[in-house]
Amino acid sequence: GQSLEQPSEVTAVEGAIVQINCTYQTSGFYGLSWYQQHDGGAPTFLSYNALDGLEETGRFSSFLSRSDSYGYLLLQELQMKDSASYFCAFRPQGGYQKVTFGTGTKLQVIP
Amino acid sequence: DTEVTQTPKHLVMGMTNKKSLKCEQHMGHRAMYWYKQKAKKPPELMFVYSYEKLSINESVPSRFSPECPNSSLLNLHLHALQPEDSALYLCASSPTGATNEKLFFGSGTQLSVL
Repeated sequence: GQSLEQPSEVTAVEGAIVQINCTYQTSGFYGLSWYQQHDGGAPTFLSYNALDGLEETGRFSSFLSRSDSYGYLLLQELQMKDSASYFCAFRPQGGYQKVTFGTGTKLQVIP
Repeated sequence: DTEVTQTPKHLVMGMTNKKSLKCEQHMGHRAMYWYKQKAKKPPELMFVYSYEKLSINESVPSRFSPECPNSSLLNLHLHALQPEDSALYLCASSPTGATNEKLFFGSGTQLSVL
């Protein structure tokens, strides 16, 4: 089957760095995406890894290792506004429109 | 315009009512999606339209009926819903093609079924 697992909650201090992990099971996929969703809001796209390695977008970086079936989102210089839920997601090969989301991680940033 | 607009933002309906959710985008995207999201859970795919044709139905009950009248509009018709259908309903769009990963989401319709 296709699944993506994430820790349910993470707490980090303002100004610090936090890593949100995503482990997945699939027979093949195009790449790993990350979305942010504030309470009551819509998911917004953050980052995408088509290939193994690190992708950097401002304070956010995302990493993918296909050999380890693992990825992570790295948030640097945490701000209070980063408190939100974060989802990894992928599209299985052969079903490229079938975007499947991970279980989600609720990040709480504390002063 | 990089927005996906959903209406209404909130909807309360009884189990015998018929209502419709609407979604609109003007980004020229030819793939449009309906997702259902329960509190503290990830979005779950319901339907995908590609070039105005239904391409994916994730075994959704027939009380949910999608419609794509044109390339900019997506509707979700609701009839005889159950209380467990209460959730946030999200519309999304994306360019088509295997290399286009980014979904653009609307702000959703918070649905309560009484």
